[in-house]
Amino acid sequence: GESVGLHLPTLSVQEGDNSIINCAYSNSASDYFIWYKQESGKGPQFIIDIRSNMDKRQGQRVTVLLNKTVKHLSLQIAATQPGDSAVYFCAENRGRYGKLTFGQGTILTVHP
Amino acid sequence: DSGVTQTPKHLITATGQRVTLRCSPRSGDLSVYWYQQSLDQGLQFLIQYYNGEERAKGNILERFSAQQFPDLHSELNLSSLELGDSALYFCASSVRPGDEKLFFGSGTQLSVL
Repeated sequence: GESVGLHLPTLSVQEGDNSIINCAYSNSASDYFIWYKQESGKGPQFIIDIRSNMDKRQGQRVTVLLNKTVKHLSLQIAATQPGDSAVYFCAENRGRYGKLTFGQGTILTVHP
Repeated sequence: DSGVTQTPKHLITATGQRVTLRCSPRSGDLSVYWYQQSLDQGLQFLIQYYNGEERAKGNILERFSAQQFPDLHSELNLSSLELGDSALYFCASSVRPGDEKLFFGSGTQLSVL
């Protein structure tokens, strides 16, 4: 029979461009959000996080923006490099005990 | 390297069999989480342990069980395996249950034939 799989959003950029990856979340009670990067054959790797009492947080070459009004999260990567090519996941903490609920992911491809 | 160690990296088995996946958390982390990643479901939370006790349960099948030992390593047992159980299984750890930043291992790729 036909297999069914997740159709992940994809983003292709040129090396040196800025990348913006978007994520919509559903639970208005979520108070913590986190971005992970997953390269082929590896586990998710922490990039940056943000709490719901903030709307922006910056790291090294990355910025996370949180818009609680429309329940939207974005990850901005400055001067994207080929090594940034990966699947990017947003995740939210919907409850206690640090249990994260992950989004479906976005495939980022950076062309040299 | 996240500091979380998972073994084996790959596991090939047949339907109906039972397997055990092993996880050693980062040094100092007391909480362990298991996640399943499949093509059709994405990353799904299975179960969480803290200092040897079960703390939270997600979409874990009754055929699956887990435990955390006194040395804090954890095992995920999958029994009566079905083709649909083929997936990547990740272990993650954090210092304590309220720590939302999880550190993931490299995963165990399970193939059920």
